[in-house]
Amino acid sequence: SQTIHQWPATLVQPVGSPLSLECTVEGTSNPNLYWYRQAAGRGLQLLFYSVGIGQISSEVPQNLSASRPQDRQFILSSKKLLLSDSGFYLCAWRKVQATYGYTFGSGTRLTVV
Amino acid sequence: QKEVEQNSGPLSVPEGAIASLNCTYSDRGSQSFFWYRQYSGKSPELIMFIYSNGDKEDGRFTAQLNKASQYVSLLIRDSQPSDSATYLCAAQRAQKLVFGQGTRLTINP
Repeated sequence: SQTIHQWPATLVQPVGSPLSLECTVEGTSNPNLYWYRQAAGRGLQLLFYSVGIGQISSEVPQNLSASRPQDRQFILSSKKLLLSDSGFYLCAWRKVQATYGYTFGSGTRLTVV
Repeated sequence: QKEVEQNSGPLSVPEGAIASLNCTYSDRGSQSFFWYRQYSGKSPELIMFIYSNGDKEDGRFTAQLNKASQYVSLLIRDSQPSDSATYLCAAQRAQKLVFGQGTRLTINP
């Protein structure tokens, strides 16, 4: 069966520090991968998605970047965090051409102080 | 205009009653529609998806889609306190899933 791992679960970082969040999927190959952010009390905002190794599409211009160095690994990064980067970061995957929904990881709650 | 819109609530329903959650979408190119449930502090979990006009039933849940009206709904029958959560509607367009802001549902015992 397929599983998605996301870490860390919580993170407190000072303003101006770098960020690296990692997501990996097991039990499938060539998945579509997604990074979402959820601000407190809000819906999910799509940040980046990837349909293959090295292929990254950015949805919202901002202080973040994403990379996909391996087929089942998706990384979200920032060189310098802003207070507005605080939120609940969720990684998700979907089988290509599937009609069923996206499966989410357990999320990382990031607080920038 | 937001691509996917939901009434943010909160929606309060007595235990055992039917909860009705609504969602509209603006992009007629959207192909499939999803309902996710999210408990406080947790990640969303998929409840149902629908891509054809009409109703789709799964246990106590029924999803309804009307593409002409660009309207999606979720009915929860025999509501239980464990159904208290935020319900997220999402529309898929090409490779992307776009979410509404969610409706907070509270089931009162």
